[in-house]
Amino acid sequence: ETGVTQSPTHLIKTRGQQVTLRCSSQSGHNTVSWYQQALGQGPQFIFQYYREEENGRGNFPPRFSGLQFPNYSSELNVNALELDDSALYLCASSLVLAGGTDTQYFGPGTRLTVL
Amino acid sequence: DAKTTQPNSMESNEEEPVHLPCNHSTISGTDYIHWYRQLPSQGPEYVIHGLTSNVNNRMASLAIAEDRKSSTLILHRATLRDAAVYYCILRDSYETSGSRLTFGEGTQLTVNP
Repeated sequence: ETGVTQSPTHLIKTRGQQVTLRCSSQSGHNTVSWYQQALGQGPQFIFQYYREEENGRGNFPPRFSGLQFPNYSSELNVNALELDDSALYLCASSLVLAGGTDTQYFGPGTRLTVL
Repeated sequence: DAKTTQPNSMESNEEEPVHLPCNHSTISGTDYIHWYRQLPSQGPEYVIHGLTSNVNNRMASLAIAEDRKSSTLILHRATLRDAAVYYCILRDSYETSGSRLTFGEGTQLTVNP
């Protein structure tokens, strides 16, 4: 059983550019969530995808968008990058079953720096 | 999600037990209590969760107060590798809250050799 992987590890962009971050979920998981973690703070929920559809979103503007693919991979896209977008971006996957709660498995994150 | 309150930091000595407290006085009847931890330069890691009864797993134990307004994460023998930020998070069932985790400030645990 492989864990959650993310690519790239580090990325440097300039203001106004667009970026795509990638995540490979744990095999068999049907839900992927993305989080933004600024330095010294806890992760903040961006959105989640369940069976390839967005079904929950945090307080982030529409320039943050995502995709989930049938092969357990997913993407986070950020358009028109701003300096405040500099952060660690975390992907988490889980297997959601009817009723109860789920356990999130996080990847190591992608460190994005916007200059 | 209901709010939790944790101490900003705690210290422990290696091989001693650690009790990490969490207050959640506004917890609802359907909220699960989750604990995650984040080691330096890593993504958060699931530790344990419970609803009403105390829970044990290979990593830790979770003691839940009878009124559910507080809980304690217990590391039975701290190691240097347990130094991390520990987050106590309340979550309703998936049908209600989805997979969203609402992280607070957490408790920075320092383990002294």
